[in-house]
Amino acid sequence: EAQVTQNPRYLITVTGKKLTVTCSQNMNHEYMSWYRQDPGLGLRQIYYSMNVEVTDKGDVPEGYKVSRKEKRNFPLILESPSPNQTSLYFCASSFADRRTEAFFGQGTRLTVV
Amino acid sequence: QQQVKQSPQSLIVQKGGISIINCAYENTAFDYFPWYQQFPGKGPALLIAIRPDVSEKKEGRFTISFNKSAKQFSLHIMDSQPGDSATYFCAAGGSNYGQNFVFGPGTRLSVLP
Repeated sequence: EAQVTQNPRYLITVTGKKLTVTCSQNMNHEYMSWYRQDPGLGLRQIYYSMNVEVTDKGDVPEGYKVSRKEKRNFPLILESPSPNQTSLYFCASSFADRRTEAFFGQGTRLTVV
Repeated sequence: QQQVKQSPQSLIVQKGGISIINCAYENTAFDYFPWYQQFPGKGPALLIAIRPDVSEKKEGRFTISFNKSAKQFSLHIMDSQPGDSATYFCAAGGSNYGQNFVFGPGTRLSVLP
């Protein structure tokens, strides 16, 4: 089954404790991205990657890092999480020439206390 | 950040009625306008999309109307069903490398049985 898998689905952590949210896709997509979803703000792009070792900032990159060492994986790293990063996070992937047809993961609900 | 405005924030419709959600964008370089549907606990899923070279696109009960001069587009759901109850996001973006997608804030649709 074609899918984008995020882990964990739910995470509660404390301020300053480094964490990683994993994202994996099995569709051989070149393009992957991370979004955060907040009430009234819709989905805002954090980082995106056009292919292996090619990453770039989205609209709200502050406080986040990403890496793309393999085509299928695109982890999101919060080096020092803060409460304003409490949000619902989505990973998405697509073919590079069809970036508009994105497949989203199930989401990761992160709470930073 | 280029904005996409979306209204209404929430919508209640009787079964069999027509649901209408409106969006407006600013960037005239955008050339792709998708709508995503999101059920609780799930990631957004591409529902229907339109390019600015046509004024209307229909897929089953879902129709996008596009007004290029007004920089507006809307989603019409005909014969709305309780199973259509979800949050709907409009988005706007470009197919060129580096162009990010911008999402509207979302509309929560409830279809009453």
